[in-house]
Amino acid sequence: LAKTTQPISMDSYEGQEVNITCSHNNIATNDYITWYQQFPSQGPRFIIQGYKTKVTNEVASLFIPADRKSSTLSLPRVSLSDTAVYYCLVGDLAVLHTNAGKSTFGDGTTLTVKP
Amino acid sequence: NAGVTQTPKFQVLKTGQSMTLQCAQDMNHNSMYWYRQDPGMGLRLIYYSASEGTTDKGEVPNGYNVSRLNKREFSLRLESAAPSQTSVYFCASSFSLRVETQYFGPGTRLLVL
Repeated sequence: LAKTTQPISMDSYEGQEVNITCSHNNIATNDYITWYQQFPSQGPRFIIQGYKTKVTNEVASLFIPADRKSSTLSLPRVSLSDTAVYYCLVGDLAVLHTNAGKSTFGDGTTLTVKP
Repeated sequence: NAGVTQTPKFQVLKTGQSMTLQCAQDMNHNSMYWYRQDPGMGLRLIYYSASEGTTDKGEVPNGYNVSRLNKREFSLRLESAAPSQTSVYFCASSFSLRVETQYFGPGTRLLVL
């Protein structure tokens, strides 16, 4: 499993773009990068997933450089409701191996959006 | 379509007591997971079930047992609760063990005195 490193916390203001970077130097060939969002007292919620280059959906963009040793979650024009913990998750696609599916959530990045 | 449901939402136990946390999903997912989250920390995988009839240990399995009762239900049992097991427990499911979207339940808050 690839170990991930994220900033513990970040502050932003409403309307700004927020970029959260995740380092995963030991990422393996079959690993995908997934980001989750967790509000207080709730379970995590899937935001976006990618393998390389750039992925965009209605919520966020995910930028992955060619070496895949890091990734950046970009949240455009954040609002107060984006205050949450964001987890970067790197995991193997293998299905039948005994370690398959053991993805590890790190401590995440606590994003605080201020008015 | 309720997604992933968990019961109970909150439980207080005394040291040494036992209890079972229930989880059910209605999305026809093959894989299910149990995580714990301690205050201010990330999630840690306790056990997972790749498919009906199979279970496997995660990162922190000691003190827990699981049962994949059928495709829908995956229960977590604490045989002899300890204060160190005070945590929030999340159940999740996904179509398969491949890294795809996991859907999480609302969590069970457990306090062991």
